[in-house]
Amino acid sequence: QSVLTQPPSVSGAPGQRVTISCTGGSSNIGSGYDVHWYQQLPAAAPKLLIYGNNNRPSGVPDRFSGSKSGTSASLVITGLQAEDEADYYCQSYDTSLSGWRVFGGGTKLTVL
Amino acid sequence: EVQLLESGGGLVQPGGSLRLSCVASGFTFSSYAMSWVRQAPGKGLEWVSGISGSGGSTDYADSVKGRVTISRDNSKNTLYLQMSSLRAEDTAVYYCAKDWNLVLAASYFDYWGQGTLVTVSS
Repeated sequence: QSVLTQPPSVSGAPGQRVTISCTGGSSNIGSGYDVHWYQQLPAAAPKLLIYGNNNRPSGVPDRFSGSKSGTSASLVITGLQAEDEADYYCQSYDTSLSGWRVFGGGTKLTVL
Repeated sequence: EVQLLESGGGLVQPGGSLRLSCVASGFTFSSYAMSWVRQAPGKGLEWVSGISGSGGSTDYADSVKGRVTISRDNSKNTLYLQMSSLRAEDTAVYYCAKDWNLVLAASYFDYWGQGTLVTVSS
């Protein structure tokens, strides 16, 4: 069971907006640690999508945005496209465990 | 262009050992911490181990502590993961990941390799 909780799956039609949540606790997100997001396309390595809660690396479309509040964070994808179909993982830092870099369990995004 | 190329994966029997390598290029290797992250078949990501840019600081997940050793050779731009007493649950794709920071801290991974598959089975 992951320290950070994500919905196993979300879906949306092309052009729609989807939100993926990432819920933590007082030892990670709630302690002020940043949340980062990764996109993993089928049969590919993960790729950094959002860092520091709401920052996009160069080359990531502005359709992707992130936010954080309290013990949770969210990834929002607007103008959904077929190529967005992938697994998405949140990641943060946890002070209660050894193995401080913690990931969410991942969310499979299906574009209908 | 940043490139991370892992090697060393394969089939190993339970209780066996394996050493993974990751050759880095396109950045000043010694200026960044590095990590290994694994993904069991059909499962999510799990951070395994990290090492600071100098190699002087290391950290391990509880699931592997005492069974794996992370190291780096900055003169060869290479990261290593020595694994021993391998178990079936260690079966996974192992990714080499570049940290944004020099030191081990609350940070993120800005580049990933393509991964190397380790299968532990008799």
